[in-house]
Amino acid sequence: DVKVTQSSRYLVKRTGEKVFLECVQDMDHENMFWYRQDPGLGLRLIYFSYDVKMKEKGDIPEGYSVSREKKERFSLILESASTNQTSMYLCASSFSGRAPEQYFGPGTRLTVT
Amino acid sequence: AQSVTQPDIHITVSEGASLELRCNYSYGATPYLFWYVQSPGQGLQLLLKYFSGDTLVQGIKGFEAEFKRSQSSFNLRKPSVHWSDAAEYFCAVGALGGYNKLIFGAGTRLAVHP
Repeated sequence: DVKVTQSSRYLVKRTGEKVFLECVQDMDHENMFWYRQDPGLGLRLIYFSYDVKMKEKGDIPEGYSVSREKKERFSLILESASTNQTSMYLCASSFSGRAPEQYFGPGTRLTVT
Repeated sequence: AQSVTQPDIHITVSEGASLELRCNYSYGATPYLFWYVQSPGQGLQLLLKYFSGDTLVQGIKGFEAEFKRSQSSFNLRKPSVHWSDAAEYFCAVGALGGYNKLIFGAGTRLAVHP
C-alpha cells in the first residue's frame, strides 16, 4: 500500500513564526504536491515538485515556499505565518508518466493565532 | 477552461437509500476521472477511477461511477447508503503529462440520517 505521511496532524503557531510542514512518501513517486483545503473552496494547489530540487508554483503560491532535497520528502514552508494561512494542508504524491492518480496524506490542520 | 463542477454542496439521505453524487467536467484532453472520499479530519482516499474501457467502474465500499462523454459527467452512485458513508466526496479530473496535476471539484458533503 502507498503510504504518505505528514509530520503533524495538528499545529498551532503564532503570527510571524516560520512554519515547516513535512511530507514523506514511500512509493518512489516522482511527483509530490501540497494543497490547502478550506470550506467551500475545495482543494487548491500551492506548489508541486516533479523531481528532486525541482518545483513549480500552483494556483496559490503566495506566502509559501517548498523544498525537495530527497525524492521521498517534500516540505512546505510558511516564512512568516499569518492568520489567513489557518487551514488544512494536504500532501499528495503520484508517479510520473502513468495515470495521474494521487495518493494523499492524512493532512495537517494548522492554526495561526 | 478546465474545471470540475459538483453542483450539490450538501446532500442528506436516509440510511439504506440510494445515492447519486453529480460531477461535470470541462477538459480539453481525454480525461482521467477520479472520485475521492474524505472522512472528517482525514486525508483523501481514492474511491474509484476511470481511464478507458467500460464506462461503468466499480470502486471500494460498494460505490460505482458512470462516465458519460456526451454529458461530460462522471456521477458517483451507491445503491444503499450506510451511516459510515457520511463524508465529503471530491470529483477530480486529470490527464497524462502536465506533471499529472489534478483539478478537483469543490466537494459534496454527505449526511446520512438513521
